[in-house]
Amino acid sequence: EIVMTQSPGTLSVSPGERATLSCRASQGITSNLAWYQQKPGQAPSLLIYGASTRATGIPARFSGSGSGTEFTLTISSLQSEDFAVYYCQQYNKWPLTFGGGTKLEIK
Amino acid sequence: QVHLVESGGGLVKPGGSLRLSCEASGFSFSDNYMTWFRQAPGKGLEWVSYISGSGSYTNYADSVKGRFTISRDNAENSLSLQMDSLRAEDTATYYCARRPRTSVIDWYFDLWGRGTLVTVSS
Repeated sequence: EIVMTQSPGTLSVSPGERATLSCRASQGITSNLAWYQQKPGQAPSLLIYGASTRATGIPARFSGSGSGTEFTLTISSLQSEDFAVYYCQQYNKWPLTFGGGTKLEIK
Repeated sequence: QVHLVESGGGLVKPGGSLRLSCEASGFSFSDNYMTWFRQAPGKGLEWVSYISGSGSYTNYADSVKGRFTISRDNAENSLSLQMDSLRAEDTATYYCARRPRTSVIDWYFDLWGRGTLVTVSS
């Protein structure tokens, strides 16, 4: 099984600043990676798929990059509604696997 | 409005059974593969099972194979997960999720429910 490792576990950033979240795969997954946002008590929501394609309705401040084993989710200017937990998920090989999440908190 | 709503969670003893449901609305349910995920308390997400739009194809994580059964009723826009021989490690919030109908080979999920909590404890 492909192990997905996210870092850092918690990221403290001030509103208006940039946040950079990392996700590493234990083996190459080309661009078969998605990012999700989850707020407390809510369902996860799709942000990015194909490593860099924004899902419908996702603001341009969210961007994804990377391929192979190293991936990055960047939020260019944090808004209050962006503070949440973020998960990466690989779909290159079964079983589908997720990273452990990065909690983005207000500094 | 497009959404998914899970139900059926609760407290069950080890070895017991539970049936989860996921009601879909606002989209053509039969067009989409549907999937169950789970999230143990304080842990990350884990894929559990999927079913094709017609119900002909299913797949399960090794951790639940032989114990869980996924099914769907397209006339009722409903997805189910029958969980038997439950163990303490099955304790989690269970989410249903939709794979986009336009996604031919990719397995990401564009619509999720809020989840239903299953607790397995004596």
